[in-house]
Amino acid sequence: DTEVTQTPKHLVMGMTNKKSLKCEQHMGHRAMYWYKQKAKKPPELMFVYSYEKLSINESVPSRFSPECPNSSLLNLHLHALQPEDSALYLCASSQGVLGTDTQYFGPGTRLTVL
Amino acid sequence: GEDVEQSLFLSVREGDSSVINCTYTDSSSTYLYWYKQEPGAGLQLLTYIFSNMDMKQDQRLTVLLNKKDKHLSLRIADTQTGDSAIYFCAEIPSGRDGTASKLTFGTGTRLQVTL
Repeated sequence: DTEVTQTPKHLVMGMTNKKSLKCEQHMGHRAMYWYKQKAKKPPELMFVYSYEKLSINESVPSRFSPECPNSSLLNLHLHALQPEDSALYLCASSQGVLGTDTQYFGPGTRLTVL
Repeated sequence: GEDVEQSLFLSVREGDSSVINCTYTDSSSTYLYWYKQEPGAGLQLLTYIFSNMDMKQDQRLTVLLNKKDKHLSLRIADTQTGDSAIYFCAEIPSGRDGTASKLTFGTGTRLQVTL
């Protein structure tokens, strides 16, 4: 089983709302990732959690706040977003070990900020 | 920094072979990947190749790696309409953190399969 699940599938929010994106995997992976993808572009890395600790933050604005409650779950809390934050948000996970560290992606959450 | 380069668009007829090319940046990358993305969907891992291999075949997919030229290609035999998608190559550059990897993606190639 190489499944990563994400909820919700679609999200529409206003600039003053607070919402959260959720990601879950049950592959025993110890690294989890958030990516942002704009139309016709490759995914851009936002955050990496390794063994439930934030290991990489790609200078993402503080209106995006990641959280890793346990090794299977990854959240992305959203607050005071801008219309330019509208994008497909992808979660991924990997074993988090040396050697092959293949990342498996979820289906994404399509976010629209009004 | 340098980009991982791919051609933007490829159109093939159903039943023909497709070849998608990628020029990557880090000659010490250990693994190189091909992902497929259908419209509105996430990224599906298609295949990967270890840097000490020249070729890997998996059913209709053949990956060729030329380390000297930092060139990676994906050949899809007997291309079907269901193969229409965007294809991304990706590398894990050297110097990665020991417990997590930073994938560097190519610019993506949109494959259109016509009848």
